[in-house]
Amino acid sequence: DGGITQSPKYLFRKEGQNVTLSCEQNLNHDAMYWYRQDPGQGLRLIYYSQIVNDFQKGDIAEGYSVSREKKESFPLTVTSAQKNPTAFYLCASSIGPGDRVYEQYFGPGTRLTVT
Amino acid sequence: AQSVAQPEDQVNVAEGNPLTVKCTYSVSGNPYLFWYVQYPNRGLQFLLKYITGDNLVKGSYGFEAEFNKSQTSFHLKKPSALVSDSALYFCAILADSSYKLIFGSGTRLLVRP
Repeated sequence: DGGITQSPKYLFRKEGQNVTLSCEQNLNHDAMYWYRQDPGQGLRLIYYSQIVNDFQKGDIAEGYSVSREKKESFPLTVTSAQKNPTAFYLCASSIGPGDRVYEQYFGPGTRLTVT
Repeated sequence: AQSVAQPEDQVNVAEGNPLTVKCTYSVSGNPYLFWYVQYPNRGLQFLLKYITGDNLVKGSYGFEAEFNKSQTSFHLKKPSALVSDSALYFCAILADSSYKLIFGSGTRLLVRP
């Protein structure tokens, strides 16, 4: 988990509220990613960003939004449009453009519970 | 389209015995394959990767994986399991023309004392 921080570790929200999950990395990586993990399932990609001020939708982007204003930061907002937001959210980073086979490094995750 | 499958939801092994966690893949071009481990309520930790070269890849914590092109497999192995190896293991493949990792559904490894 070293080099990537996610906060908070646990987050509770009421249905209908937007919530923003923080992800910061000090690895000087260009690429950053957000994944969602549900019990018994693999990780599913929400959004990814290969460079500052640019990002692309992943497989399950509906109901989520991101920004990439700084290289170190890639916050994820879970909006009220996301139908099933309760999940474990993982942020990752990798070296990025130039050699696409670098591994991704993951943060410790944020467990979001919406009631 | 690329995909990866982990056919076993759970693998049980006694401490000291060898372990294998299976992974098969489907890809149209060259496969770039990864193994990650996840401990409860934690992020994923990188174990090893196959890009090219030797079919036997050595990684962290004594794990290794064997790339088999004819069987489209990338099984994770360890000669002698430890109780502390008990965790959730994910196989992943890198999709063409992007940085998208495609993950298998995960295999829970339980090593009993």
